[in-house]
Amino acid sequence: SQQGEEDPQALSIQEGENATMNCSYKTSINNLQWYRQNSGRGLVHLILIRSNEREKHSGRLRVTLDTSKKSSSLLITASRAADTASYFCATGSSASKIIFGSGTRLSIRP
Amino acid sequence: GAVVSQHPSWVICKSGTSVKIECRSLDFQATTMFWYRQFPKQSLMLMATSNEGSKATYEQGVEKDKFLINHASLTLSTLTVTSAHPEDSSFYICSARPDRGKVNYGYTFGSGTRLTVV
Repeated sequence: SQQGEEDPQALSIQEGENATMNCSYKTSINNLQWYRQNSGRGLVHLILIRSNEREKHSGRLRVTLDTSKKSSSLLITASRAADTASYFCATGSSASKIIFGSGTRLSIRP
Repeated sequence: GAVVSQHPSWVICKSGTSVKIECRSLDFQATTMFWYRQFPKQSLMLMATSNEGSKATYEQGVEKDKFLINHASLTLSTLTVTSAHPEDSSFYICSARPDRGKVNYGYTFGSGTRLTVV
């Protein structure tokens, strides 16, 4: 089963612009993680934010978490062609397993 | 560190045959590994949680006799698709998290296996 929805499902922006993706989830969590997947490949872990954190940065990535709204956002600043991929949020609970959202397909136009 | 190797990366098999997919943690021990299935342009669906030395825990709707999971060591989990049919064609991905971590570490994923049943 999927934990929640990501918005938008697809996003196309010009290189250099910022990309924002949103994730909503349904149950209580210990952490929320963001992953990137290039077409036909495995997933790469980008960033993890704990349930007691509100914002986290890693390079050009900025993640926010609002547990009261059960939502998170991923901001990629100064996008590059290499950022073209699908991005998934995933929620982690005390049960150890992580459940993925529906994903956002990001395309960066040169 | 934290590398997961998945093999094979792709496989084509005939209907009715069985296919085994391996997932190895190369530089860490993983008591627990996870198997996902992904259809084109869709998200990952958790199939089962593989537990070293015990039975796997399957998600609702996943046939345990169809998808056999064995986690015989702390670094290896295998998924066997038995009596494969064309509808089993999909992208299968495993993941693992180092045992040293608790609930606040990211997971490492294998590169996936593209299964095509003809």
